[in-house]
Amino acid sequence: GQQLNQSPQSMFIQEGEDVSMNCTSSSIFNTWLWYKQDPGEGPVLLIALYKAGELTSNGRLTAQFGITRKDSFLNISASIPSDVGIYFCAGQLTPYGGSQGNLIFGKGTKLSVKP
Amino acid sequence: DAGVTQSPTHLIKTRGQQVTLRCSPKSGHDTVSWYQQALGQGPQFIFQYYEEEERQRGNFPDRFSGHQYPNYSSELNVNALLLGDSALYLCASSLPGGGSGNTIYFGEGSWLTVV
Repeated sequence: GQQLNQSPQSMFIQEGEDVSMNCTSSSIFNTWLWYKQDPGEGPVLLIALYKAGELTSNGRLTAQFGITRKDSFLNISASIPSDVGIYFCAGQLTPYGGSQGNLIFGKGTKLSVKP
Repeated sequence: DAGVTQSPTHLIKTRGQQVTLRCSPKSGHDTVSWYQQALGQGPQFIFQYYEEEERQRGNFPDRFSGHQYPNYSSELNVNALLLGDSALYLCASSLPGGGSGNTIYFGEGSWLTVV
C-alpha cells in the first residue's frame, strides 16, 4: 500500500538534544498529522496541520506544513527520556461525500535513548 | 469520557479460520475507520464506515469485511486467514468531514497472530 517517505528511520537521542524528522510525498495533502506510538498502544495525535505553510507548536514540539503541500517536518526541542517511541507522519486526503478522508502513514521514526 | 475501545486485545488464530474484531468509537463520533499495522510499518487504511455504510476502502481483498451498527460501533471480519494477516488492527473514530478540529482518535488495537 501507499506510504509516505519518512526520515530518518531511527535515531538516538541524548537528554536535552533537539530532534528533527521529516516526511515527504509525491501527492498533495490538505492535512498533515503527527502521531506518537508507544509499544503496545495505538497512535496518539501530537500535532495537526491544516494549511500550507502553517507552523504549529505543542509544548516542546513544533511542526510545519510544507508550502508545496507535499511535505512536513516535526521538531522536538530539549528531548527528555519520555520522548522515546515511534513517531509517524500521516497525510490526509481531501474528504468527499461527507466522510472523513483516510490517512496515509509514513513508516515511522524510532527514537531511542543514546547508550 | 471513554476513548476508542477495541476488543479483544490479543488473539491467536489458525490459517484458514475467521476472526471478528470489535470497536466502540469515542463518545460523539459516528465515523469509524480500520487500519492494519504490520510489525515495523505504519498503519495501512482498510476501510471506513459512516451511517452504517462502507464509504471508502483501501487496497485490501474481499476477505476483509466490516459492519457498523446503529450505535456507531463497528466490527472488522477477516475470512480465510493467512499468515500475512498477522498484525495490529487499529480502529479510529472521528466526526465526518475534515478540517480544523476534527481529530481522528485511535484505539489501542487488537493484536492478531495467525499460526
